[in-house]
Amino acid sequence: ELKVEQNPLFLSMQEGKNYTIYCNYSTTSDRLYWYRQDPGKSLESLFVLLSNGAVKQEGRLMASLDTKARLSTLHITAAVHDLSATYFCAEETSGSRLTFGEGTQLTVNP
Amino acid sequence: DSGVTQTPKHLITATGQRVTLRCSPRSGDLSVYWYQQSLDQGLQFLIQYYNGEERAKGNILERFSAQQFPDLHSELNLSSLELGDSALYFCASSSGGGQTPYEQYFGPGTRLTVT
Repeated sequence: ELKVEQNPLFLSMQEGKNYTIYCNYSTTSDRLYWYRQDPGKSLESLFVLLSNGAVKQEGRLMASLDTKARLSTLHITAAVHDLSATYFCAEETSGSRLTFGEGTQLTVNP
Repeated sequence: DSGVTQTPKHLITATGQRVTLRCSPRSGDLSVYWYQQSLDQGLQFLIQYYNGEERAKGNILERFSAQQFPDLHSELNLSSLELGDSALYFCASSSGGGQTPYEQYFGPGTRLTVT
């Protein structure tokens, strides 16, 4: 069964702090995606990771992929309130369908 | 704005009814995907079409069907609606057919409420 697990599911952090969200997936896929969703809104693509060892950074967010460990991480550096949202990782499997994790609800407090 | 459009934005209907959700992909994109987001099931892949043909099927109920038309827009038909079908339905599009990684761009979604 395809399974993508994220942890933590809920994360409350202070502005200025660092934290990492973990995403474990079940297949040998080497394609992993990170999306952001604001309440009631659509999914916004953050990162596309296409190979083992891939690392991508955009602003205060950095994503990495370890296909051997079937693990992707989303690292948040010096969090700001605007980063409050739900973050999803998704594994691309056969036919380019995406299997999503449960989502990590991030709240950044002043 | 991803360039993917969905109509309607909101839909309220009664159990047993049938509804049609519409999606227009980004210009030039050949693949359309449908996803359902609900509190209890999370985000689930339903079905994919590529250039008019069904390419992949996920957790789509038999009461649900979809198609992609020659102009590449897609419709998701939901029939014999049940309370549990209440969810946010997303359409996504990409340029490819699955052999090469193609990023999926999501539309704004249609919120379906079944009463």
